[in-house]
Amino acid sequence: DAKTTQPNSMESNEEEPVHLPCNHSTISGTDYIHWYRQLPSQGPEYVIHGLTSNVNNRMASLAIAEDRKSSTLILHRATLRDAAVYYCILRDPYNQGGKLIFGQGTELSVKP
Amino acid sequence: DTEVTQTPKHLVMGMTNKKSLKCEQHMGHRAMYWYKQKAKKPPELMFVYSYEKLSINESVPSRFSPECPNSSLLNLHLHALQPEDSALYLCASALGPSHGYTFGSGTRLTVV
Repeated sequence: DAKTTQPNSMESNEEEPVHLPCNHSTISGTDYIHWYRQLPSQGPEYVIHGLTSNVNNRMASLAIAEDRKSSTLILHRATLRDAAVYYCILRDPYNQGGKLIFGQGTELSVKP
Repeated sequence: DTEVTQTPKHLVMGMTNKKSLKCEQHMGHRAMYWYKQKAKKPPELMFVYSYEKLSINESVPSRFSPECPNSSLLNLHLHALQPEDSALYLCASALGPSHGYTFGSGTRLTVV
């Protein structure tokens, strides 16, 4: 399984943008980049995913480097409810049913 | 209905007991998953079901026995568990291998 590297923790201020980085230098051509987050005492929640182009949805934006060896999840205005562990995961839909393997993630704290 | 429902939310069982965890979704998802999560650790994949057939077993001990009676329901039968099996057990489903997962809130299991 291709690996991702994320900072263990990050801090942000409420109502400011947050950029969560992820390195995946061994990404293969069929790997999609997925982001999930897990709030305290809840199951993980899908945030966004992409292959090559940048992606936007109501929760966040995903910026993917041109060589695909890194990506950044962007929360445009952090709120206290965004405090969670954020996981960046590579997922190959053509290999082993596209199983999702979690790494250690980044614990994001948001200060009022 | 856009949820994965897991029951019970909490379970305490003795090492000689037999119990079952239940997971239900009515989104028409054909892939379903069991994960185990210990405190302060990322979720670990246990089993993958695709079209009601077991497609991946991540070398899980036989005291955990999954079952998929129909496309909406996934069970995890537990027998002769050890205290170290105490964890949060998460169920997830997905429309297909290139789609995002929807997770349930989990069953918090304590083995005494």
